[in-house]
Amino acid sequence: QKEVEQNSGPLSVPEGAIASLNCTYSDRVSQSFFWYRQYSGKSPELIMSIYSNGDKEDGRFTAQLNKASQYVSLLIRDSQPSDSATYLCAVNGYGNNRLAFGKGNQVVVIP
Amino acid sequence: AAGVIQSPRHLIKEKRETATLKCYPIPRHDTVYWYQQGPGQDPQFLISFYEKMQSDKGSIPDRFSAQQFSDYHSELNMSSLELGDSALYFCASSFLASGSRNEQFFGPGTRLTVL
Repeated sequence: QKEVEQNSGPLSVPEGAIASLNCTYSDRVSQSFFWYRQYSGKSPELIMSIYSNGDKEDGRFTAQLNKASQYVSLLIRDSQPSDSATYLCAVNGYGNNRLAFGKGNQVVVIP
Repeated sequence: AAGVIQSPRHLIKEKRETATLKCYPIPRHDTVYWYQQGPGQDPQFLISFYEKMQSDKGSIPDRFSAQQFSDYHSELNMSSLELGDSALYFCASSFLASGSRNEQFFGPGTRLTVL
C-alpha cells in the first residue's frame, strides 16, 4: 500500500466552481501535510501546509486535516483556468524530513 | 525572493556515462533534498543533507552519490547511467532550524535524458 493515496481520477470543473481534492495517508504519526501544485514539466510549487486538525484558509485555497481519519483535503474556490494543474499531496512522517507524495490529481478548469 | 537554483536545466547523456547535477538552496536554508520524478510518476525521495551532513537516505541507487559543500550547495553524482535514469531531478531546500515544520521549496529541476 502506498504511503500517501490520491485515488480520484482527473477532475474537470467549470470556471468559478469549487474543486475538491482528497488524500489519505497510512503513517498514523505523520506530523506535517502539504499540497503542491505542479504544472506539466515544471517543479512542484508549495501552495498549502497544515499541521493541526481543522481547516486552514489561504486566499482561494482551504486545506482540511483530520488526523483521526488520516485524511487531508484541499478545496479550491472560484476555480480559474490557471488552476489547471496536477495537485500533489505530500506527507512528512515522524522522525525523518523526507516528503512522501501521492500520485497527484489532475484538475482541469473549463472556461 | 531568491529561489532554489539548479544546473544544468537539461542534460543528455549516453548509457554508462556520468552526470553531475548541481543545486544551490535558498539562502539561509540549512537542509537540501533530492527527488527523482519519472514520467507520469510522483517525486521519489533520494537523499537529504542537514548542515552539510547526510541526514536521510531513500531509494537512491548505489551508482548515485551526493554531497553538500561548505557553501551549502549540493551535487548529485550519477555514474554508469542507465536508460531508466531518464527523469526530472528536483532539488528542494528548507530551513528546519526556523521551526517551519519542513516546508520544502523546489528548484526548477534538471531534465536528464539517457540515450
